[in-house]
Amino acid sequence: EIVLTQSPATLSLSPGERATLSCGASQSVSSSYLAWYQQKPGLAPRLLIYDASSRATGIPDRFSGSGSGTDFTLTISRLEPEDFAVYYCQQYGSSPLFGQGTKLEIK
Amino acid sequence: QVQLVQSGAEVKKPGSSVKVSCKASGGTFSSYAISWVRQAPGQGLEWMGGIIPIFGTANYAQKFQGRVTITADESTSTAYMELSSLRSEDTAVYYCARDLPPKLGYCSGGSCYGAGAFDIWGQGTMVTVSS
Repeated sequence: EIVLTQSPATLSLSPGERATLSCGASQSVSSSYLAWYQQKPGLAPRLLIYDASSRATGIPDRFSGSGSGTDFTLTISRLEPEDFAVYYCQQYGSSPLFGQGTKLEIK
Repeated sequence: QVQLVQSGAEVKKPGSSVKVSCKASGGTFSSYAISWVRQAPGQGLEWMGGIIPIFGTANYAQKFQGRVTITADESTSTAYMELSSLRSEDTAVYYCARDLPPKLGYCSGGSCYGAGAFDIWGQGTMVTVSS
């Protein structure tokens, strides 16, 4: 069974800075079926990125995804105040699986 | 635009069952997989299983096999998740979520599987298990 490991667990940055979040898989993720979600307290997750690098509808272009195989990255080019949240990576398809999350907090 | 509206909060006794509904409105329901994801207080997201309504066959995470039943009613565009033998560790927010079009799911070996990321989510249903 695939395991997704996100790092770091917590990332402390200031608005305007660049954020780099990582997601490592224990086995290759087929067809780059890798997504990223943002979740704020009390709300459902929001899809940001799918197919490893495609932005979902309405997602600002400061969010970008990259990677393939076992190593994936979510980059937020210039943090806005509303970007501070928890981010999850997910392998989807026949047996969806989430990483444990990265909390992006204000420094 | 599709919306998923879930049923309200539940409080259940240990050993009992809970059934949560997820009604779709405003778009295609039957062709794309609906998954159920739960989140215990302060914890991460956990996929429980999913169903493609047009096929009616569900696929479950191994952890929940035998304890969860996911069904769908095409006539009312509603999916359901029933969890039995509840214990305190099942206290969580339960979400339904739809696969992102246009990836259609498929069936193989008697089970049906989704193929997309989860683009539309319900608002969540809090289930509390307490004696």
